[in-house]
Amino acid sequence: KAGVTQTPRYLIKTRGQQVTLSCSPISGHRSVSWYQQTPGQGLQFLFEYFSETQRNKGNFPGRFSGRQFSNSRSEMNVSTLELGDSALYLCASSDHHGTGILSGNTIYFGEGSWLTVV
Amino acid sequence: DQQVKQNSPSLSVQEGRISILNCDYTNSMFDYFLWYKKYPAEGPTFLISISSIKDKNEDGRFTVFLNKSAKHLSLHIVPSQPGDSAVYFCAARDNYGQNFVFGPGTRLSVLP
Repeated sequence: KAGVTQTPRYLIKTRGQQVTLSCSPISGHRSVSWYQQTPGQGLQFLFEYFSETQRNKGNFPGRFSGRQFSNSRSEMNVSTLELGDSALYLCASSDHHGTGILSGNTIYFGEGSWLTVV
Repeated sequence: DQQVKQNSPSLSVQEGRISILNCDYTNSMFDYFLWYKKYPAEGPTFLISISSIKDKNEDGRFTVFLNKSAKHLSLHIVPSQPGDSAVYFCAARDNYGQNFVFGPGTRLSVLP
């Protein structure tokens, strides 16, 4: 089974531009979540999609948005880029269906997209 | 306020000895915990998980212990190998949400 695939792997953008990152989840996984990792920081949760609907959102400004398509592929967009947006953006997928103790599941990460804003 | 804390930014251990990585959490609603390992320029790789109905889970050289009353979990790696050198993240999920909260990570160096 192919893993989580993220494109592009590396990109450089200028302040004020916008960027779109793409994620293809593991086949059969319907939940896709996005995380940001900056140097010295842990993984900060951006948002999570399940069946094309955003179920959870982290504490990021509205410049960060995402969507999920019917085939579970997901994109995230960052508009009006700032220098502080330079980070590793990680996508993760899971086949999670419900909540509760017995519905524990694992999320699997892609290799990430390295964004540098200059 | 960090809900998941890994108070040791780094840890060095001799090859063959035990590595113990610690994680503390504040949210009593967390019911499922995972550990991930991350090498530079790669995405995190799942290692092991534990549900709050257990206090121990073992998988090969990796064992995770959960102390719910102390809101503390730890990952034990025995014996440690140089290939274990990486950043280890602890993650927790509450039984209402679907997203995971990650700690800041601990960099483990296993010295040959």
